[in-house]
Amino acid sequence: DVKVTQSSRYLVKRTGEKVFLECVQDMDHENMFWYRQDPGLGLRLIYFSYDVKMKEKGDIPEGYSVSREKKERFSLILESASTNQTSMYLCASSLRTRLGQPQHFGDGTRLSIL
Amino acid sequence: GENVEQHPSTLSVQEGDSAVIKCTYSDSASNYFPWYKQELGKRPQLIIDIRSNVGEKKDQRIAVTLNKTAKHFSLHITETQPEDSAVYFCAASMYSGGGADGLTFGKGTHLIIQP
Repeated sequence: DVKVTQSSRYLVKRTGEKVFLECVQDMDHENMFWYRQDPGLGLRLIYFSYDVKMKEKGDIPEGYSVSREKKERFSLILESASTNQTSMYLCASSLRTRLGQPQHFGDGTRLSIL
Repeated sequence: GENVEQHPSTLSVQEGDSAVIKCTYSDSASNYFPWYKQELGKRPQLIIDIRSNVGEKKDQRIAVTLNKTAKHFSLHITETQPEDSAVYFCAASMYSGGGADGLTFGKGTHLIIQP
């Protein structure tokens, strides 16, 4: 069974701090993704990566960056946290093939920026 | 970019009845359409998916239909049970010979099964 593990379930940070959210998957998946989930807005794609050191912007990348130094680990970085980044953050991974493959999600990190 | 519309936002049905959730997408190049179920406080879990070379797919009480011409796809749940109560999300993506593409999600449908 695929396991996607996010380092923190709940996190509270202050405005202006640099925040790191970590995600690790154990299924040797090439693709990894970061989404944020807000009530009434569904899930929105922030960044994704299809290989080590590769990254692509999603629909809402402003204020975020990512790092993928190892295949199993994908980090989301809030360069200078702001209150509008208070949200649930979900990491996902999938196989890389020609056809669409299911994305497997972690339990999420609920981040509060004060 | 892709835009996915999902309706209704809330759906209440009697236990044992059927439930239908509908989604439309904007990008005709999209070719992969998964459905996720999310229970309160839990991660989204894939319940069924369909690719654009198929018009319908079933898995026990769950089925998905795809109409590429009209650019819409639907989730059908028959003989609903209390454990079907959750938020359901549709999504769309375009996969090519390259690597990944993120999913564009609908805003979700809160399905309530009345006993």
